[in-house]
Amino acid sequence: AQSVTQLGSHVSVSEGALVLLRCNYSSSVPPYLFWYVQYPNQGLQLLLKYTTGATLVKGINGFEAEFKKSETSFHLTKPSAHMSDAAEYFCAVSTSGTYKYIFGTGTRLKVLA
Amino acid sequence: KAGVTQTPRYLIKTRGQQVTLSCSPISGHRSVSWYQQTPGQGLQFLFEYFSETQRNKGNFPGRFSGRQFSNSRSEMNVSTLELGDSALYLCASSPAAGTGSGEAFFGQGTRLTVV
Repeated sequence: AQSVTQLGSHVSVSEGALVLLRCNYSSSVPPYLFWYVQYPNQGLQLLLKYTTGATLVKGINGFEAEFKKSETSFHLTKPSAHMSDAAEYFCAVSTSGTYKYIFGTGTRLKVLA
Repeated sequence: KAGVTQTPRYLIKTRGQQVTLSCSPISGHRSVSWYQQTPGQGLQFLFEYFSETQRNKGNFPGRFSGRQFSNSRSEMNVSTLELGDSALYLCASSPAAGTGSGEAFFGQGTRLTVV
């Protein structure tokens, strides 16, 4: 069975500071990993994904994540937070052959001026 | 290119009624999946369809059902509504059958309130 754990349901950072959102996964088979962002009253937008290949993945809006198999982690980072980054972020796992995503519980990011 | 369209955006129903939600995928996409989002349970997988066939089903009671039409549009139905069915229902479309390597493109959701 697969699972995703996101540490910290709420994270606050100052504008211009580093953003670090944590995600650990459990999977008995090679995972596909995703980060999605959700703005209020909106659907989910893909930030980045890892399937195979390079373990450092770059996404939209300056976000990136590194797949660390030994730590079963896929943490999301951004060097400098912007006010527009305030949203809820979801980490998800799936496997080849399905679009059945298992989502984490989400982390709400607040950016302080 | 138009995104995933879900209708209606908002819905209020009474306990015991049934409801049908609609999802039109991105043009050319043949895979549709559905998720329920609630504050308590988060995002939970409901179904996945490809070419009118259900490929996966989540852990929901039989009151939740879905189908996909030949034009890839999908509907989900919830019968005998309960208060706990109040949620944001999200539909996502993808180009192909569960390769898993591509992302799912989400619609804005249908907000269902059961009173």
